Amino acid sequence: DTAVSQTPKYLVTQMGNDKSIKCEQNLGHDTMYWYKQDSKKFLKIMFSYNNKELIINETVPNRFSPKSPDKAHLNLHINSLELGDSAVYFCASSQGPGTSGTGELFFGEGSRLTVL
Amino acid sequence: AQKITQTQPGMFVQEKEAVTLDCTYDTSDQSYGLFWYKQPSSGEMIFLIYQGSYDEQNATEGRYSLNFQKARKSANLVISASQLGDSAMYFCAMREGKGNTGFQKLVFGTGTRLLVSP
Repeated sequence: DTAVSQTPKYLVTQMGNDKSIKCEQNLGHDTMYWYKQDSKKFLKIMFSYNNKELIINETVPNRFSPKSPDKAHLNLHINSLELGDSAVYFCASSQGPGTSGTGELFFGEGSRLTVL
Repeated sequence: AQKITQTQPGMFVQEKEAVTLDCTYDTSDQSYGLFWYKQPSSGEMIFLIYQGSYDEQNATEGRYSLNFQKARKSANLVISASQLGDSAMYFCAMREGKGNTGFQKLVFGTGTRLLVSP
């Protein structure tokens, strides 16, 4: 079983469309994240949720809306897609604050979004 | 200001040799964590090694070791006996915030592309 799984792995769409990426983790972690990796491979955090509650929002345009129906799922919905949204989006999870451990992130395989 | 700096965009090493990938960090926190991740061409992010700011000994995991110099704020990754499969992007990252009481996130450097030649 994949620890952090995200779908779809590839997404090609037209500018202006709306799309979603789903993420699920079976590690029992409390905290989940979305990271964006641009064409230069730079990884930047977008959002973080702890037990379904948004705790980090890193000045991401409000066209991006994360949703966490439960602590094992964190989905990313993107409205009115733009060319600059083309990137690889990584979902990740970690143990939450107040627990022991390194805070290591467990990543999904990434979802490559191409906006034409 | 850049919190994690990786000054080597690319590195070359011959198989079986050791290589050091540089990483410096900037934080005023007393408690922090440093990580190295590997990203092969297939794209997944693979955790390699972790060093806590209070750990007195340098972390080691198999062929990976972390040369932690706290006063210099550096956390270099040393890969011994390089293998062809080590060719990949390597990212240094720092956990910000106090793990037990506050929220935490990992901030990544820009990465170093390592190429291992036969």
